[in-house]
Amino acid sequence: KNEVEQSPQNLTAQEGEFITINCSYSVGISALHWLQQHPGGGIVSLFMLSSGKKKHGRLIATINIQEKHSSLHITASHPRDSAVYICAVRLKGSQGNLIFGKGTKLSVKP
Amino acid sequence: DSGVTQTPKHLITATGQRVTLRCSPRSGDLSVYWYQQSLDQGLQFLIQYYNGEERAKGNILERFSAQQFPDLHSELNLSSLELGDSALYFCASSRLAGGGLYEQYFGPGTRLTVT
Repeated sequence: KNEVEQSPQNLTAQEGEFITINCSYSVGISALHWLQQHPGGGIVSLFMLSSGKKKHGRLIATINIQEKHSSLHITASHPRDSAVYICAVRLKGSQGNLIFGKGTKLSVKP
Repeated sequence: DSGVTQTPKHLITATGQRVTLRCSPRSGDLSVYWYQQSLDQGLQFLIQYYNGEERAKGNILERFSAQQFPDLHSELNLSSLELGDSALYFCASSRLAGGGLYEQYFGPGTRLTVT
């Protein structure tokens, strides 16, 4: 079993829809990251969380440490949001290296 | 633009060969991480350096090695290359963000194709 599980693996949405991507982990962590990878391959860090909730524009990330679960929400989705979204965790006591989920491939249709 | 640079962008080489990938971290970042992204394994941590010293090792093969130089740039050396080494190789650098957490900034990656 992977230490970081994401769901769904693939997601197709219509423009304007509210989107949720889930991430569950089975280990003690000091931080959780949400990353975005566009078809060109580059990776952008969207959020880094250790508790609570963060918002940036149309993106919202939440984490529940007790339940070992995080969600990434996209409001009013747009075709330019089409990308792979990757959840990654930093283990408690580690030097900072990340353990990654398999990613969620999001496609937003106009 | 994350401020992390990687060269080359693409590399095509034959089995058995040796290649060197280069990474320059963001100005002021002391930590460099190397990650491999393959189709079957996803993203995996390879190795971390902090101010010239190896800090942590992940799933790095013995055929692979890395170092960080005094100017903080890092090189990942891959030798005796196999078809299965074809992947995207990312470098990331980190700095202390708020709350004692370290934010990571990823380079654009080097796409290695072994034929």
